[in-house]
Amino acid sequence: NAGVTQTPKFQVLKTGQSMTLQCAQDMNHEYMSWYRQDPGMGLRLIHYSVGAGITDQGEVPNGYNVSRSTTEDFPLRLLSAAPSQTSVYFCASSLSGRRQETQYFGPGTRLLVL
Amino acid sequence: QKEVEQDPGPLSVPEGAIVSLNCTYSNSAFQYFMWYRQYSRKGPELLMYTYSSGNKEDGRFTAQVDKSSKYISLFIRDSQPSDSATYLCASTYTGANSKLTFGKGITLSVRP
Repeated sequence: NAGVTQTPKFQVLKTGQSMTLQCAQDMNHEYMSWYRQDPGMGLRLIHYSVGAGITDQGEVPNGYNVSRSTTEDFPLRLLSAAPSQTSVYFCASSLSGRRQETQYFGPGTRLLVL
Repeated sequence: QKEVEQDPGPLSVPEGAIVSLNCTYSNSAFQYFMWYRQYSRKGPELLMYTYSSGNKEDGRFTAQVDKSSKYISLFIRDSQPSDSATYLCASTYTGANSKLTFGKGITLSVRP
């Protein structure tokens, strides 16, 4: 199993550009989520999904969109990038939304918005 | 007040020392308590989790939860330079809409 994979590893964007961060898992996990990690702020939940076709907002959803058309994939879209979205983004998955004590994280995507 | 508070760092210890990392939480509904280890420029990796109060041991690592005082601890025995990383505590509960709540993390450096 590859676990949780994320692409790209690093990206530089200009303000106003759009992009999609990719996330995939091969563990047949129902629950997937996106976090951002900023110095001094810890991990903050952006969006999450409890299954294909179901998504919901987390703590910091503004400026981000998600969709979940398959169990395996959970892309995060930035529609119009802003410097405040410079961060490290982590995708994570767990067996179900009701049981998150074993949540597995991907290697992260470092995003710099100029 | 954040639901999970973690001791600020950084923390530097000599190799072989016993390390104690601590967090407090405020939400009485939390049932699961996790410790993640995050190496520099990597994703968090689940070290261990504990359900409710009590201790759990895994090799040199012991997780301890005291629900009466809402205190979470991770002890590392015979610390090694390879233990140098950021450690994140997290808590959650079972049920619909449950989410992980993380502490901000503490960076540990083990000096050879």
